[in-house]
Amino acid sequence: SQQGEEDPQALSIQEGENATMNCSYKTSINNLQWYRQNSGRGLVHLILIRSNEREKHSGRLRVTLDTSKKSSSLLITASRAADTASYFCARTYSGSARQLTFGSGTQLTVLP
Amino acid sequence: DGGITQSPKYLFRKEGQNVTLSCEQNLNHDAMYWYRQDPGQGLRLIYYSQIVNDFQKGDIAEGYSVSREKKESFPLTVTSAQKNPTAFYLCASSKSANTGTSGGAYEQFFGPGTRLTVL
Repeated sequence: SQQGEEDPQALSIQEGENATMNCSYKTSINNLQWYRQNSGRGLVHLILIRSNEREKHSGRLRVTLDTSKKSSSLLITASRAADTASYFCARTYSGSARQLTFGSGTQLTVLP
Repeated sequence: DGGITQSPKYLFRKEGQNVTLSCEQNLNHDAMYWYRQDPGQGLRLIYYSQIVNDFQKGDIAEGYSVSREKKESFPLTVTSAQKNPTAFYLCASSKSANTGTSGGAYEQFFGPGTRLTVL
């Protein structure tokens, strides 16, 4: 299976703290994308990082990619209650550019 | 106002019935996708289409069927052969299902989802 792991499954923090979520995978990727899903809604794309990139930023979001460890992390700085959502990483694997493979996600709760 | 829409938002099905979920996009995207999401889980690919009149099975296509007669539309039929259809169904679209210059899949734009419940 090309399914990876995301951890933690659930994360609860106070507003203003940073939140870090991790994603690991098993085989070589072309790129990795992070998505956000509010409860009962569709997914929203956050960041795409290519296999030859190591770090990308977008506002309060920072994504890193370590291809040697086959892992990525999403950091949300200065979290807000509105950041409460599920966060998914999705991989495009080498030789299988047709689709994204999603992990099971991290449920983030930011307490006011 | 560009986007991707799904209808209905909630759908109830009796056992033995076929039901069709609608997905429409006005983003001029070539590729469209259907995913299934079960509680607390990630998304699993049911079917995808790279171009009009063409579609491919995903990881869990059994019990489902699709058509792609128009670029804008990619309806999903949940047939009576799908034994456990209660789930949240998400439709998505992207520029292409092929490798982009970014190396790998383009970002996908998602609809708001349809929650299907079998009575």
